Amino acid sequence: GQQVMQIPQYQHVQEGEDFTTYCNSSTTLSNIQWYKQRPGGHPVFLIQLVKSGEVKKQKRLTFQFGEAKKNSSLHITATQTTDVGTYFCAGDSETSYDKVIFGPGTSLSVIP
Amino acid sequence: DTGVSQDPRHKITKRGQNVTFRCDPISEHNRLYWYRQTLGQGPEFLTYFQNEAQLEKSRLLSDRFSAERPKGSFSTLEIQRTEQGDSAMYLCASRWDRQETQYFGPGTRLLVL
Repeated sequence: GQQVMQIPQYQHVQEGEDFTTYCNSSTTLSNIQWYKQRPGGHPVFLIQLVKSGEVKKQKRLTFQFGEAKKNSSLHITATQTTDVGTYFCAGDSETSYDKVIFGPGTSLSVIP
Repeated sequence: DTGVSQDPRHKITKRGQNVTFRCDPISEHNRLYWYRQTLGQGPEFLTYFQNEAQLEKSRLLSDRFSAERPKGSFSTLEIQRTEQGDSAMYLCASRWDRQETQYFGPGTRLLVL
């Protein structure tokens, strides 16, 4: 079945350093979504990318959707302690009817 | 506050008991999803409704699990004869259309003793 993978599983950075997490799907996605989950919280939607090669920015966050629509990345510039949490990518498969598959997430720790 | 509510927020039960969770989606959303999330993992898709129709079920959903959305508004997820392996966070999410944002509720955390 369809699988969505993310690397790294964990990332510890010093405050001010950059952070990148990568997402790869075993099948082509119709779109890719990114969520952030704080410890004890629920996933909160960050952004959705739909077009091949699309790049979107939200302040210090840059999201990219691969040309083949099978991979994506999230890059955070100059991390802050408020960025702490787990970042999940998720995608709607182009073949499976409206089923959203989540990656295992990348847990980000920011050392002040 | 995303507008999706779930009840209860926490449930502790003994193995073998039945439990039922409720999800109230954002009112204009016709798509409703149930997920299960265990510690350190991403949400796992369980089932999906479009209005009152249950259109897809994961193989993870054993015969002990059943979900309904009788009037196309709120949904319930029932687990019969709970097992310790059912302990997890059960998340509900809703959205208007396939290409639209999915909003999650706060989840119901289940502990089976």
